[in-house]
Amino acid sequence: GQNIDQPTEMTATEGAIVQINCTYQTSGFNGLFWYQQHAGEAPTFLSYNVLDGLEEKGRFSSFLSRSKGYSYLLLKELQMKDSASYLCAVIDSNYQLIWGAGTKLIIKP
Amino acid sequence: DGGITQSPKYLFRKEGQNVTLSCEQNLNHDAMYWYRQDPGQGLRLIYYSQIVNDFQKGDIAEGYSVSREKKESFPLTVTSAQKNPTAFYLCATAGGEVEKLFFGSGTQLSVL
Repeated sequence: GQNIDQPTEMTATEGAIVQINCTYQTSGFNGLFWYQQHAGEAPTFLSYNVLDGLEEKGRFSSFLSRSKGYSYLLLKELQMKDSASYLCAVIDSNYQLIWGAGTKLIIKP
Repeated sequence: DGGITQSPKYLFRKEGQNVTLSCEQNLNHDAMYWYRQDPGQGLRLIYYSQIVNDFQKGDIAEGYSVSREKKESFPLTVTSAQKNPTAFYLCATAGGEVEKLFFGSGTQLSVL
């Protein structure tokens, strides 16, 4: 079966750095997305990785290793507004999106 | 403003009742999707449509129905056959360079 694993919940301190991991076992790979979702709201696009390596976009960076079936989202200089769930999703060989359950990130002052 | 409008924000269903969730977009995207989100689970695909007058079942289509009569609209009906309808429902379109998803603000459906 297809599976995406993310930690259920993480806690970090305002101003610090946090890394949210995502591992996947899917039938093929055609890209990986990270989305941010505040409670009761729509997910919003953060990043897309299809090649190995690090993609940096402001305070957020996303890394991919296709050989290890692994990605992480790195958030720097954490702000209280970063408290949200972070969803990892993989495009499989049939171009279907497979979603992880999401990681709830709690930021403490 | 370009975007996706879902309504209502909150919806209550009585036993044996069908309810319809609205999804309208003005992004001019061909592909539209309905997802169900339950606590502690990933998004699950209910139905999707790649073009007007055509749609396909997703992973959990039983108890749901859709129509795609116009490019802008993709309503979802939760029928009485769906025995556990309480969930957060998200409508999405796909477009752009990497076909990323754009989501509506969601509808929380609860059973009375």
